[in-house]
Amino acid sequence: GAGVSQSPRYKVAKRGQDVALRCDPISGHVSLFWYQQALGQGPEFLTYFQNEAQLDKSGLPSDRFFAERPEGSVSTLKIQRTQQEDSAVYLCASSTTGLSYNEQFFGPGTRLTVL
Amino acid sequence: DQQVKQNSPSLSVQEGRISILNCDYTNSMFDYFLWYKKYPAEGPTFLISISSIKDKNEDGRFTVFLNKSAKHLSLHIVPSQPGDSAVYFCAASKRGSWGKLQFGAGTQVVVTP
Repeated sequence: GAGVSQSPRYKVAKRGQDVALRCDPISGHVSLFWYQQALGQGPEFLTYFQNEAQLDKSGLPSDRFFAERPEGSVSTLKIQRTQQEDSAVYLCASSTTGLSYNEQFFGPGTRLTVL
Repeated sequence: DQQVKQNSPSLSVQEGRISILNCDYTNSMFDYFLWYKKYPAEGPTFLISISSIKDKNEDGRFTVFLNKSAKHLSLHIVPSQPGDSAVYFCAASKRGSWGKLQFGAGTQVVVTP
């Protein structure tokens, strides 16, 4: 299939460890979003890329969170010195353009558990 | 601040009957509204959307109604089927925000035989 893929699907980290989460968007999609979904809540916006440019990072909770998309396709979300409150499902979504009416296609998410 | 709210965490409905899911929002700048459906261990999948210039959009068994003056939208599923059992998220975006979505907390729908 040509959907959005994410890896790993599950990640367990000890508090203080650094983690890297990968997103492979649909080929040719210009826009890429990262969302964080805590248990029992809806996804919350973290950051947005248009091609390789990070145009909005207003949702990143702290400077421990960093995202990149260097070649405008694959994206990595990195969390440094993980804390227990970082435990959540991290969702990646892509769309053809950055217009509000364009459907976002979501990956299955990476479930991060910080012990 | 939670700008999109789904106040019913769960809904149980009999197969064949109508499911009605509700969503309220507070930001009058939202101009596009969407419903997503989510099965366990999968990402949300797009279901139906509506622009703020409309008050109704229909797609097969799914209809979304928008009441801008009340800042309220609803999703009707008729008839409900067992495969509709999932979590449904209401989401909203505003022009100029790159399509960034703000989601409600979701409603778990269970369709019983």
